[in-house]
Amino acid sequence: AQSVTQPDIHITVSEGASLELRCNYSYGATPYLFWYVQSPGQGLQLLLKYFSGDTLVQGIKGFEAEFKRSQSSFNLRKPSVHWSDAAEYFCAVALPNFGNEKLTFGTGTRLTIIP
Amino acid sequence: DAGVIQSPRHEVTEMGQEVTLRCKPISGHDYLFWYRQTMMRGLELLIYFNNNVPIDDSGMPEDRFSAKMPNASFSTLKIQPSEPRDSAVYFCASANGGRLSYEQYFGPGTRLTVT
Repeated sequence: AQSVTQPDIHITVSEGASLELRCNYSYGATPYLFWYVQSPGQGLQLLLKYFSGDTLVQGIKGFEAEFKRSQSSFNLRKPSVHWSDAAEYFCAVALPNFGNEKLTFGTGTRLTIIP
Repeated sequence: DAGVIQSPRHEVTEMGQEVTLRCKPISGHDYLFWYRQTMMRGLELLIYFNNNVPIDDSGMPEDRFSAKMPNASFSTLKIQPSEPRDSAVYFCASANGGRLSYEQYFGPGTRLTVT
């Protein structure tokens, strides 16, 4: 069965520092890959997505992610974080088969920003 | 557009009572998803609909849970009878068709507490 792993439960970074959140998937074929963000007390919002093609994808709020097939990874990055980036981040995968529109979410990484 | 609307935002009920959660998806979206989020189990897909038809309800925990979508603009998730272990945040999300079904727009959630 497809699975997605976020090895870091909680990360703390200083405002202005760079950020990388890890995501690994376990699946026979390359799935579709996504990053969602959840601010406190709110629902999830899509940050970026990868279906195929260019392995470096740009998203909203200055985030980017790089798909690395050899490592089965889809890590999220941001060169300089802002206090407003404090939230929980979820990596998600989808099986690209007709009739399956389900997302499988990782367990999330909570990001704390310190001044 | 107002986004996905969920009601109530908070619900506190006693064990054994019936609970009904409501969702209004974004107009024009073909897909509607119900998720449950807990600390222990993370974000779980309960059921999803395409054009008001349930497609996959394999995530519904047991017969106490039921979901309906009588028309394109309204869905309900009902728990009868409720139990303390049902305490969670329940999210509704909607999406367009095709690969866009993975680009899900989440509502703010309903926080359910069963005492």
